[in-house]
Amino acid sequence: GAVVSQHPSRVICKSGTSVKIECRSLDFQATTMFWYRQFPKQSLMLMATSNEGSKATYEQGVEKDKFLINHASLTLSTLTVTSAHPEDSSFYICSARPRQTGATEAFFGQGTRLTVV
Amino acid sequence: AQSVAQPEDQVNVAEGNPLTVKCTYSVSGNPYLFWYVQYPNRGLQFLLKYITGDNLVKGSYGFEAEFNKSQTSFHLKKPSALVSDSALYFCAVRDHRGFQKLVFGTGTRLLVSP
Repeated sequence: GAVVSQHPSRVICKSGTSVKIECRSLDFQATTMFWYRQFPKQSLMLMATSNEGSKATYEQGVEKDKFLINHASLTLSTLTVTSAHPEDSSFYICSARPRQTGATEAFFGQGTRLTVV
Repeated sequence: AQSVAQPEDQVNVAEGNPLTVKCTYSVSGNPYLFWYVQYPNRGLQFLLKYITGDNLVKGSYGFEAEFNKSQTSFHLKKPSALVSDSALYFCAVRDHRGFQKLVFGTGTRLLVSP
């Protein structure tokens, strides 16, 4: 099956610093990737949709200047949490859907546990 | 707007017994429905999907789901539960508009006791 690799799996950073999370589709190309945030014992909240070669589309209430998304190629999207604060601590998950016609399901990365101290 | 509801926060079942995790949906147009499973501190794993065709969909790890249009339901089932099935299960529907994002339910925690 299709594999999405997310890195790092865990990161601890100091308040005020920035953290970059990478999401790679290993064996397929993805025009569109999605970034989610998950709070403990809660569902996934879509933060933004990342499109190769264009600006990301952010969901309502998500600060685009704080959560920078770059979709540099058909296999890589990055999420940078800028000037992180403890309230940004969360589990971040990316997903990607193969670009070929007819692809229906999305595949998910392993997630990144961000802890801001 | 597309949405799914998972009415149960938690389902408890004994190993070897059949399990059902409920999901109902609300969509405009034909629904694209999915089930995903999440283990602790991990991403989501795809289990199965309904796009069109047979109402009974078979997926990974012995799971299946039944699409019921009249009841707008897509319940996840397994004839015989395993302790290793204990995890968080998400139902999702694909939004046909725009980037066709997935809209998730709130999740159901499945606990299978030995």
